[in-house]
Amino acid sequence: GAGVSQSPRYKVAKRGQDVALRCDPISGHVSLFWYQQALGQGPEFLTYFQNEAQLDKSGLPSDRFFAERPEGSVSTLKIQRTQQEDSAVYLCASSKGGGSNQPQHFGDGTRLSIL
Amino acid sequence: AQRVTQPEKLLSVFKGAPVELKCNYSYSGSPELFWYVQYSRQRLQLLLRHISRESIKGFTADLNKGETSFHLKKPFAQEEDSAMYYCALSLRGGSNYKLTFGKGTLLTVNP
Repeated sequence: GAGVSQSPRYKVAKRGQDVALRCDPISGHVSLFWYQQALGQGPEFLTYFQNEAQLDKSGLPSDRFFAERPEGSVSTLKIQRTQQEDSAVYLCASSKGGGSNQPQHFGDGTRLSIL
Repeated sequence: AQRVTQPEKLLSVFKGAPVELKCNYSYSGSPELFWYVQYSRQRLQLLLRHISRESIKGFTADLNKGETSFHLKKPFAQEEDSAMYYCALSLRGGSNYKLTFGKGTLLTVNP
């Protein structure tokens, strides 16, 4: 594919609703990352997958956040019982390998607004 | 915990002028440093990394371990350099995949 693809581009939800954000990484990329970017801030790490294994979920803010990558390609970030502070841009990135010597390629992000 | 500080939220220069975007970090070990850039309506992309010691689009950045800085410099700014710039850090070792970003500096190059 041309790059990392994220959908939807924009999502508006009412407080308390569940949302699911999708990431399609670059074909063949082993590693996949999710970041959260609040307004006026830099991206903050949420979680990391190597193939289908979630190796690091230390950045997930609460147990309402859940990510999966069941077949080692497409990933979904799910947020349950959304709250206003969840409003942010959610970025997905992928890389060939897991180390810092492999650059991370970012998607356009999903802008989530919680009313 | 590691931290990246970009003291300038906004930076405005004229075309042809030198530009320096500041980045300081705090980490007790030996990190790897990166600059990412986001042009208007485009996605975040890697500009350069300190281990490559290369110049990309005329930009260079030198890691100064004594001052814990990784400032981005360009001798003659161009209008197309206008963008949001993020400094980022990753650790060496087991968690070297995880990037810690600064808050970013919005560079505007005026004609």
